Amino acid sequence: DVKVTQSSRYLVKRTGEKVFLECVQDMDHENMFWYRQDPGLGLRLIYFSYDVKMKEKGDIPEGYSVSREKKERFSLILESASTNQTSMYLCASSQTPHRGQPQDEQFFGPGTRLTVL
Amino acid sequence: DQQVKQNSPSLSVQEGRISILNCDYTNSMFDYFLWYKKYPAEGPTFLISISSIKDKNEDGRFTVFLNKSAKHLSLHIVPSQPGDSAVYFCAASTSGTYKYIFGTGTRLKVLA
Repeated sequence: DVKVTQSSRYLVKRTGEKVFLECVQDMDHENMFWYRQDPGLGLRLIYFSYDVKMKEKGDIPEGYSVSREKKERFSLILESASTNQTSMYLCASSQTPHRGQPQDEQFFGPGTRLTVL
Repeated sequence: DQQVKQNSPSLSVQEGRISILNCDYTNSMFDYFLWYKKYPAEGPTFLISISSIKDKNEDGRFTVFLNKSAKHLSLHIVPSQPGDSAVYFCAASTSGTYKYIFGTGTRLKVLA
């Protein structure tokens, strides 16, 4: 059974703290993604990685950084948390498709609800 | 600039009737579309997909229709069941890229 796990389901942090969100997948997928989900805004891509040590900015990278030192693990870092980063954070992974084929479905973790006070 | 739009934030349907969820997109380069279902406190799970070379794909109670000229897709659930109550996201992708663009979601409530 394929699995994407996230280190915490709920997290409460204070403004200015450094926050680490960890994601691990056991499917040997090349691609990993971090999204945030907010009411009325859907899922917005923060960063993604298509290989170890490779990363690309998504649509809303400001205030975030990422790290991918191992294939199975993708970390999202909030260098200095702010209240507008209170959100549900979702990690996903997917296989790289064969040339010319569409992107495979993404498998999601259960999410981390982060509250920044 | 929202490339994938779900204009109905919510929908209520009686159990046993048809649920129709709609999604519009603006980027003509999108060639693969998926629907995800999300329950509260869980991650989204894949439901059904369709390639741009097709106009319909069916899987049990779920059917997705694609109208490329209108840049519109819809998800039909027949018959609707209370367990279908969830938020549904459509997503679009272009071959050769790594990512999907997600819509804002539609909350479906199926009334018993």
